[in-house]
Amino acid sequence: QVQLVESGGGVVQPGRSLRLSCAASGFTFNRYGIHWVRQAPGKGLEWVAVISDDGKKKYFTDSVKGRFTISRDNSKNTVYLEMNSLRAEDTAVYYCARDSRVYYFDYWGQGTLVTVSS
Amino acid sequence: QSALTQPASVSGSPGQSITISCTGTNSDVGGYNYVSWYQQHPGKVPKLMIYDVTKRPSGASNRFSGSKSGNTASLTISGLQAEDEADYYCSSYTSSSTWVFGGGTKLTVL
Repeated sequence: QVQLVESGGGVVQPGRSLRLSCAASGFTFNRYGIHWVRQAPGKGLEWVAVISDDGKKKYFTDSVKGRFTISRDNSKNTVYLEMNSLRAEDTAVYYCARDSRVYYFDYWGQGTLVTVSS
Repeated sequence: QSALTQPASVSGSPGQSITISCTGTNSDVGGYNYVSWYQQHPGKVPKLMIYDVTKRPSGASNRFSGSKSGNTASLTISGLQAEDEADYYCSSYTSSSTWVFGGGTKLTVL
């Protein structure tokens, strides 16, 4: 069965960095793009970034451009979200989700909480 | 990259039907048939209910249906049940090769 497991969340001070990981199993990883979606406490879903199956295409929401990077290691079935210059407004549960290959999110991880606070 | 517009809340009685709207622009909802809908119960992971505007994945109840007219997509839930009480989010692919969600709608089953 398809499984996505996020890790790397925690409490970090404003301006610092954090790297999230999304470990996948149960499907042919190098055939699917992977998204990051976040949800601030008590708020709605916000799409953050996507990386294509081969890692060559990457897209970000405007609020994280220049601060977040996304990468993948297909030999490890893992996607990474490197978050730099973190702000209080980046505080959220971060989910990774599989791209269905036709523009929707078909499987989601359980999420990892990132708290940006001094 | 403005969020799609959804009503903050809707409500209905068991057995009734409700519709949740999702309004975007020609660059997202109106430009592609790539609107999807997600159900999220409190503390839970979002669950796909509708994709490609009208298609229902296996595992989603056939009481859920989707449609689109112009820049507005809609999710209809018929025969409301207590278990349908949740937050619902629409999402669309955009002309910038990004995705956008709606602000979410809280459904209350009276």
